[in-house]
Amino acid sequence: DTEVTQTPKHLVMGMTNKKSLKCEQHMGHRAMYWYKQKAKKPPELMFVYSYEKLSINESVPSRFSPECPNSSLLNLHLHALQPEDSALYLCASSHQGQGNYGYTFGSGTRLTVV
Amino acid sequence: SQQGEEDPQALSIQEGENATMNCSYKTSINNLQWYRQNSGRGLVHLILIRSNEREKHSGRLRVTLDTSKKSSSLLITASRAADTASYFCATGTGNTPLVFGKGTRLSVIA
Repeated sequence: DTEVTQTPKHLVMGMTNKKSLKCEQHMGHRAMYWYKQKAKKPPELMFVYSYEKLSINESVPSRFSPECPNSSLLNLHLHALQPEDSALYLCASSHQGQGNYGYTFGSGTRLTVV
Repeated sequence: SQQGEEDPQALSIQEGENATMNCSYKTSINNLQWYRQNSGRGLVHLILIRSNEREKHSGRLRVTLDTSKKSSSLLITASRAADTASYFCATGTGNTPLVFGKGTRLSVIA
């Protein structure tokens, strides 16, 4: 299995809702990432998990809460989001962290906050 | 913050022509990678070139790296309509996650 699977593919949520994005990989990768991407912009790093521990939080607002239940799963819990949080959320994984290896990306979750 | 800066921002060519995209960066790197992104989809890893390498090939892709000029180029030969996508360079320093450049939007017209 050489894929990163993200669910759901599309999500519309109100500003008072709580939802979660899910990401799964079975390549034995020990680093997993959440990126946020706005239209016609590059991906922006949000969080990095290395060996199931949060190693980097790029000053992301607390309304985004990551979780890594095990080495194959990565969640992003969403609560009280703002319309400007609407974006494509990408999960990625790599053999190890620190940018020494290529990343495998999921196809993303298109999030719309209304 | 973005380290890589792609040039041009947008490129439109005819099918069969070659497409060249450039990436410049600012600090020392361990490796440089190129990714392709079709509209609204995830990024696909194309090629990784390490700082001690000067050129690398993969199918119709040719990547060069000049560490003295802090620049890289991606050449796609004999382009196809299916090559239409955004292309991002990303730099790896060995102790931080990849940093992506702003990207080049390539349109290949059939």
